[in-house]
Amino acid sequence: DVKVTQSSRYLVKRTGEKVFLECVQDMDHENMFWYRQDPGLGLRLIYFSYDVKMKEKGDIPEGYSVSREKKERFSLILESASTNQTSMYLCASPRGTEAFFGQGTRLTVV
Amino acid sequence: GNSVTQMEGPVTLSEEAFLTINCTYTATGYPSLFWYVQYPGEGLQLLLKATKADDKGSNKGFEATYRKETTSFHLEKGSVQVSDSAVYFCARLNSGNTPLVFGKGTRLSVIA
Repeated sequence: DVKVTQSSRYLVKRTGEKVFLECVQDMDHENMFWYRQDPGLGLRLIYFSYDVKMKEKGDIPEGYSVSREKKERFSLILESASTNQTSMYLCASPRGTEAFFGQGTRLTVV
Repeated sequence: GNSVTQMEGPVTLSEEAFLTINCTYTATGYPSLFWYVQYPGEGLQLLLKATKADDKGSNKGFEATYRKETTSFHLEKGSVQVSDSAVYFCARLNSGNTPLVFGKGTRLSVIA
């Protein structure tokens, strides 16, 4: 059974904290993506990676960075969390004509 | 550029009404097309997909046909139920190292 796992379902962090959101896939896929989902804005692409140590900016990379040291893990990093980064974060790993999603991490920055 | 445009919501229907949610795309090549659904409090789930022109994806009474000539992938259901209340996202995926691109989502509310 294919799986994309995000480390946390809910997180509450303080403004200015460094935040790590982890995503792991067990499908040996090359491609992994991070999105944020906000009401009325749909899913917006933050960063994606198509191989280990490779990364590409998506539509809204500002305030974020990523790390892909191993094929199965793609980390999203908020260098200094701000309240406007309160959102639902979704990790995805597509291959061919299939795309698999994690359950999402709802991050609240206070 | 590559984008997906879907009709804005919210859409409110009575039970057993006919549903159409429009989706059009722009893309180079021949993308795969998807409809995802997100029920309240849950994660994103694949509802149906089509990978080439004239393919019809179907699931749970929903259907969508890949129309290359109109670059559309409209979602339809003949008779909606209250349990269909959710947010629906249209998406496209080109082959190779390209991201999955989503529409903004359409919230559907079905009332008894």
